[in-house]
Amino acid sequence: GAVVSQHPSWVICKSGTSVKIECRSLDFQATTMFWYRQFPKQSLMLMATSNEGSKATYEQGVEKDKFLINHASLTLSTLTVTSAHPEDSSFYICSAPVAEWGENEQFFGPGTRLTVL
Amino acid sequence: AQSVTQPDIHITVSEGASLELRCNYSYGATPYLFWYVQSPGQGLQLLLKYFSGDTLVQGIKGFEAEFKRSQSSFNLRKPSVHWSDAAEYFCAVGQGAAGNKLTFGGGTRVLVKP
Repeated sequence: GAVVSQHPSWVICKSGTSVKIECRSLDFQATTMFWYRQFPKQSLMLMATSNEGSKATYEQGVEKDKFLINHASLTLSTLTVTSAHPEDSSFYICSAPVAEWGENEQFFGPGTRLTVL
Repeated sequence: AQSVTQPDIHITVSEGASLELRCNYSYGATPYLFWYVQSPGQGLQLLLKYFSGDTLVQGIKGFEAEFKRSQSSFNLRKPSVHWSDAAEYFCAVGQGAAGNKLTFGGGTRVLVKP
């Protein structure tokens, strides 16, 4: 199957700093990628849809100025958590769809654990 | 708005026993339905999906799920669990283009007793 990678796999930062998380589709191109957030022992919540060549689409309640998304190429989307605070600590997961026979299957990255001190 | 409910937060099952994970959804149109498994340190892996057609769907690792429109359910089953099936399982509903945007249920953690 298709492979999606994320970097870094974990990061610790000080409050007030910015952190960039990369999501790459390794063996396929993705004009769209998705960013999710998962709190401990909870489900995944869709944050935004990353669109190559255009602005990201954010879900209701997600601060676009807080979570900057850039889809720089057909294989790379980045999520930057700006001025991070402890409440931003979470597990961030990206996914990218692969279409097959008119049906999409989402391939997920392994996630990035962010801890803000 | 669509929603997904997984009533069971934890399920403990003996190795070799059968497993059924419940999933109920709320969605206005014909849903795209998915089951994913999340193991520690690994990304979510698709077990199976339902888009249309036969309501009994076969997936990987011996899993199957049945779509029941009248009950708004998409329960996941496995006849005989293996210790390696211990993981977190998520049911999801997709909307948008070919079900791209996923709404996940709260997840069910499966523990397997030897």
